[in-house]
Amino acid sequence: AQKITQTQPGMFVQEKEAVTLDCTYDTSDPSYGLFWYKQPSSGEMIFLIYQGSYDQQNATEGRYSLNFQKARKSANLVISASQLGDSAMYFCAMRERFRPAGGTSYGKLTFGQGTILTVHP
Amino acid sequence: NAGVTQTPKFRILKIGQSMTLQCTQDMNHNYMYWYRQDPGMGLKLIYYSVGAGITDKGEVPNGYNVSRSTTEDFPLRLELAAPSQTSVYFCASSLSSNQPQHFGDGTRLSIL
Repeated sequence: AQKITQTQPGMFVQEKEAVTLDCTYDTSDPSYGLFWYKQPSSGEMIFLIYQGSYDQQNATEGRYSLNFQKARKSANLVISASQLGDSAMYFCAMRERFRPAGGTSYGKLTFGQGTILTVHP
Repeated sequence: NAGVTQTPKFRILKIGQSMTLQCTQDMNHNYMYWYRQDPGMGLKLIYYSVGAGITDKGEVPNGYNVSRSTTEDFPLRLELAAPSQTSVYFCASSLSSNQPQHFGDGTRLSIL
């Protein structure tokens, strides 16, 4: 079963409009975290926003907000007032506690397949 | 304001050659990671380190080795390059296991 699912391979939005990028997850770890990263065509990975599983309120960072619905195991990214510079690949990722056999515990980050967002003028 | 620095940015190798991808961070982060990203895919973890002298395998460690002699540096070594290792490699670091990971700009590696 997929740990992180992004069902939208591509999304289009008009400049200045809002857009929601979907992400659902699956974990049995009660203490997990959800991240969104942006990858522009230049290739770097840019951290956008973080939501912890115990956080009571939805995370917000400027024009980015995370619509966290714990019971539905979804963590959708909402971008308000889209800009041309928002055109990029967006990855949802989940951090779980993980200890490999004989190894050291760490926060394992699992990425979704990504959604390509195109903002039209 | 360097953050995570990876070198080189691009490299072409012949099958069977070896090379080391360099990664250094100046944020005094304990945790460091190496990922690979194949075309159209998300990132997969190769190796990680929770501190100097401690390294562990991730999801796809075969064909790679790492070392962590200092907090700042986490080099990734390919001993016998194979075409299947053609990918973009990202190094990342985080202060702790539940803090966001900060990524370098990536190394685009082609094995021909």
